Amino acid sequence: DAGVTQSPTHLIKTRGQQVTLRCSPKSGHDTVSWYQQALGQGPQFIFQYYEEEERQRGNFPDRFSGHQFPNYSSELNVNALLLGDSALYLCASSLGVRTEGSTFGSGTRLTVV
Amino acid sequence: DQQVKQNSPSLSVQEGRISILNCDYTNSMFDYFLWYKKYPAEGPTFLISISSIKDKNEDGRFTVFLNKSAKHLSLHIVPSQPGDSAVYFCAASSNTGNQFYFGTGTSLTVIP
Repeated sequence: DAGVTQSPTHLIKTRGQQVTLRCSPKSGHDTVSWYQQALGQGPQFIFQYYEEEERQRGNFPDRFSGHQFPNYSSELNVNALLLGDSALYLCASSLGVRTEGSTFGSGTRLTVV
Repeated sequence: DQQVKQNSPSLSVQEGRISILNCDYTNSMFDYFLWYKKYPAEGPTFLISISSIKDKNEDGRFTVFLNKSAKHLSLHIVPSQPGDSAVYFCAASSNTGNQFYFGTGTSLTVIP
């Protein structure tokens, strides 16, 4: 039973570029949440997708956008990258929008130079 | 504003002894709490949870205690093992929300 799969594992981008991160949820899960974890900090909630719609959003600018596909997989897009966007991006999946039973992926390490 | 706080960035414990990791929260609407363990280059792994209707939950060597009046929870690991060395995150959510609020983590080192 595959857990949450995120790709790529590492990524280096230049300031101003755009990036797309991908997440496949755990089998049986239908909800995907994205978190940003800066160095030395705890993960911070970006947004959650359920039934292909953004259901809740954290305190992140519109440069951060997402999408959920009919197979429940999800993408996180970040436009106009800033140096401060360098972080570990974590995807968590769950069955339904509640947090219980959430499973986290290993993350994508994004470095903006 | 940090709604979940872990005030100890690091903790060192001898193998076999008890490890106690602490977490404080400010939002009285939080009703579900979790501890996650994170190894380097891996995502957080669920360890143990507790809902606000309980004050203690035990799973093997891991016990979480919740003091709602003090808005405080703690994770006890007994006995501590070298493999327990990791960063531990406390997280909280409310029954009206669908996101976790995480603390900044405590790095536990268990010395053999």
